[in-house]
Amino acid sequence: AQSVAQPEDQVNVAEGNPLTVKCTYSVSGNPYLFWYVQYPNRGLQFLLKYITGDNLVKGSYGFEAEFNKSQTSFHLKKPSALVSDSALYFCAVRGLTSGTYKYIFGTGTRLKVLA
Amino acid sequence: DAGVIQSPRHEVTEMGQEVTLRCKPISGHDYLFWYRQTMMRGLELLIYFNNNVPIDDSGMPEDRFSAKMPNASFSTLKIQPSEPRDSAVYFCASPKDRTDTQYFGPGTRLTVL
Repeated sequence: AQSVAQPEDQVNVAEGNPLTVKCTYSVSGNPYLFWYVQYPNRGLQFLLKYITGDNLVKGSYGFEAEFNKSQTSFHLKKPSALVSDSALYFCAVRGLTSGTYKYIFGTGTRLKVLA
Repeated sequence: DAGVIQSPRHEVTEMGQEVTLRCKPISGHDYLFWYRQTMMRGLELLIYFNNNVPIDDSGMPEDRFSAKMPNASFSTLKIQPSEPRDSAVYFCASPKDRTDTQYFGPGTRLTVL
């Protein structure tokens, strides 16, 4: 069965330090992988995606993610965190199940960047 | 580009009442998704449409929930009768072309008393 796991409910990082938000997935076939960010009282906003090609994907606001097929991971990273990056981050996967595309979101990781 | 539009932004109703949530997707987008977000269950896909046709409604929790897309620019999610456990934020999203990037609306916060 298709699944997405975000093992950390919350990640705390000091401003200026690098950050990593973890995501692992399980899907049949080739996955489409996404990261979204949600600020309070707002809808989710797209950050980046992996469909094919280069395993390192660059996205909005200086974020990037690395697709690792052998570890079935798609961790979100940023070299230097900002306080304004504090938000809820969702990993998502699209895969094919019984002839129908399924979209599954992880449970979310709350990122807190401390000044 | 106005983005995905949802109405109302907030809805407070009493148990047993009918609730209708509305969504206007981005013009030209062929897909439309309805999600529900709660603290307990996170973000759940309820149903999605392609070219106004429901493709997967396996996430719809029960028969009290129904969704329609009568044309490319409008969709509704109806709950009848509503129950307190339906209280959540309901999002509508429309992917752009075939890239599958989903553009979310601002959501409707539903409270059922």
